[in-house]
Amino acid sequence: GEDVEQSLFLSVREGDSSVINCTYTDSSSTYLYWYKQEPGAGLQLLTYIFSNMDMKQDQRLTVLLNKKDKHLSLRIADTQTGDSAIYFCAESIRNYGGSQGNLIFGKGTKLSVKP
Amino acid sequence: NAGVTQTPKFQVLKTGQSMTLQCAQDMNHNSMYWYRQDPGMGLRLIYYSASEGTTDKGEVPNGYNVSRLNKREFSLRLESAAPSQTSVYFCASGLLRGSTNEKLFFGSGTQLSVL
Repeated sequence: GEDVEQSLFLSVREGDSSVINCTYTDSSSTYLYWYKQEPGAGLQLLTYIFSNMDMKQDQRLTVLLNKKDKHLSLRIADTQTGDSAIYFCAESIRNYGGSQGNLIFGKGTKLSVKP
Repeated sequence: NAGVTQTPKFQVLKTGQSMTLQCAQDMNHNSMYWYRQDPGMGLRLIYYSASEGTTDKGEVPNGYNVSRLNKREFSLRLESAAPSQTSVYFCASGLLRGSTNEKLFFGSGTQLSVL
């Protein structure tokens, strides 16, 4: 079935850029998402990209999509301690009636920002 | 505008006890979801409801039941709790089930321990 893979941990220094990577399997995905989960909280939609786009920029966030390689990345510029969180990649899938629902989530990448 | 509200935030049960997790959304969303989050497993879909009056099994439905009481409320019931159901449970809602751009909004979670 469909799957979304991402590395589990990333550690960066405050002020550096962070790059979180994700690979997905459903070539028919139309939207891909990044969710952020702060400690003790639910997931919050951070940004998303439509599959006909290569890049989307939103302030300190840059999303890059390589549809040929099914690779998605999230770059956070000037990373701050407040960016410490778990970041989930997710893809929309077309099998709406399936047991996986409408979105497939990766396992999440825990970003630690050191001062 | 509270978004997605889950109760309780914390719960400790003994094996065999039953309980119901409550979820309500005030965004007039059609679809609602229950996920569980376990370390190293990411988010797994338990049940979802595409619209009022309908419910469907997700990836890990065994040991759970759900009720879509009305458009606002979607409850998750554990009839006979087991230690394997120790987890953090998240309710989520989305505007349009089957949409290829269904952004989900999450509650803050219920931390459940089954002893």
